[in-house]
Amino acid sequence: EIVLTQSPGTLSLSPGERATLSCRASQSVSSSFLAWYQQRPGQAPRLLMYYASTRATGIPDRFSGGGSGTDFTLTISRLEPEDFAVYYCQLYGIPPGTFGPGTKVDIK
Amino acid sequence: EGQLEESGGRLVQPGRSLRLSCAASGFTFDQHAMHWVRQAPGKGLEWVSGISWNSGSIGYAEVVRGRFTISRDNAKKSLYLQMNSLRSEDTAVYYCAKVVWAYGDYVPDAFDLWGQGTMVTVSS
Repeated sequence: EIVLTQSPGTLSLSPGERATLSCRASQSVSSSFLAWYQQRPGQAPRLLMYYASTRATGIPDRFSGGGSGTDFTLTISRLEPEDFAVYYCQLYGIPPGTFGPGTKVDIK
Repeated sequence: EGQLEESGGRLVQPGRSLRLSCAASGFTFDQHAMHWVRQAPGKGLEWVSGISWNSGSIGYAEVVRGRFTISRDNAKKSLYLQMNSLRSEDTAVYYCAKVVWAYGDYVPDAFDLWGQGTMVTVSS
């Protein structure tokens, strides 16, 4: 089973700053079957990216994804107040659809 | 865009059973595989089970296999999770989730629509 590691665990930034989140897989991920989700407190997760770099419907273009193989990144170009949340990466296309442990982006 | 609404979560004693339901609206339910994903209090996300669009393929996480049963009724646009022999470690918010692509199988995919979740607490 492929294990996903996310870093950092917590990212403390100010509104307007750039956020770079990392997701590393223990083995190469085929066809970049990697998704990113945002979860705000008390809410369900929301799909941000799939195929590592394809934005989901309605996701603003300040969110971008990249990477391949074992190393993937989610970048938020300029943090808005609503972006402070927990972000999860997910490997899909292979059971058990492993999620990473999450990165919390909080206000500095 | 669609909507999913889970129900059925409650406090239940260890060893007992519970059935969760998920009502779908606003999208072609019978064309999409559906899944259950759970989140223990203060923890991350964990895939539980998935079912193909036509119930032809079904899969479970190792930790629930043999205890949980997923099913769907396309006529009623509903997804279900029958949970037997519940354990304290099954305590979590249970979300139903729709996959991005049509006509998929039970294998976890990217999930583009989630319900608000229903809380299951297993405790004596």
